Amino acid sequence: EVQLVQSGAEVKKPGESLKISCKGSGYSFNTYWIGWVRQMPGEGLEWMGIIYPGDSDTRYSPSFQGQVTILADKSINTAYLQWSSLKASDTAMYYCARHELGCSGSDCNSEYFDHWGQGTPVTVSS
Amino acid sequence: DIQMTQSPSSLSASVGDRVTITCRASQTISSYLNWYQQKPGKAPKLLIYGASSFQSGVPSRFSGSGSGTDFTLTISSLQPEDFATYYCQQTYRTPHSFGQGTKLEIK
Repeated sequence: EVQLVQSGAEVKKPGESLKISCKGSGYSFNTYWIGWVRQMPGEGLEWMGIIYPGDSDTRYSPSFQGQVTILADKSINTAYLQWSSLKASDTAMYYCARHELGCSGSDCNSEYFDHWGQGTPVTVSS
Repeated sequence: DIQMTQSPSSLSASVGDRVTITCRASQTISSYLNWYQQKPGKAPKLLIYGASSFQSGVPSRFSGSGSGTDFTLTISSLQPEDFATYYCQQTYRTPHSFGQGTKLEIK
């Protein structure tokens, strides 16, 4: 069974650093991209970026480039989302998700998040 | 970035109703369009990928259609467990942007 298990809730102060994790199991972790999605309180989903654990190739949304770092340690099947200096506006739920590549009809270039972690709530407040 | 716009933003309906949610892309995205369902306090769940392909285990009352810039998610006969928020997502080009969501509420 594919599972993504995220680290627990975090409460931090502005300016502090943070690294949250997402551990995959039940599949070949190195061969699937993993993505991160932000959901601010009461708001919609925002695509932050994806990483390929096999070689750490990473793609960021321009909205998040330079604001966060996406990492992976393939030896322990874990992806990370890291901040060097948190802001109050980083308060949100953060989800990791497995990025699958599949076929829809004759087109085998469909991409989608097929399995999701349970989410990590991050609160940044002074 | 490709902008995704869903309509309506919210919708009230009754059990047994047929419901359609629309998603429009700011440029053509071929059929690289996914639909997710999210219930309060839960992670999103994939329903439809590639505009019209069912994810395993999704009830057949859900269907997706469209290509290019205009897409629809249809629920043929609403069940109590379908009241949730629905999001579309394009995967034609990164960033793989989501629509703003459609909240489906009980009338």
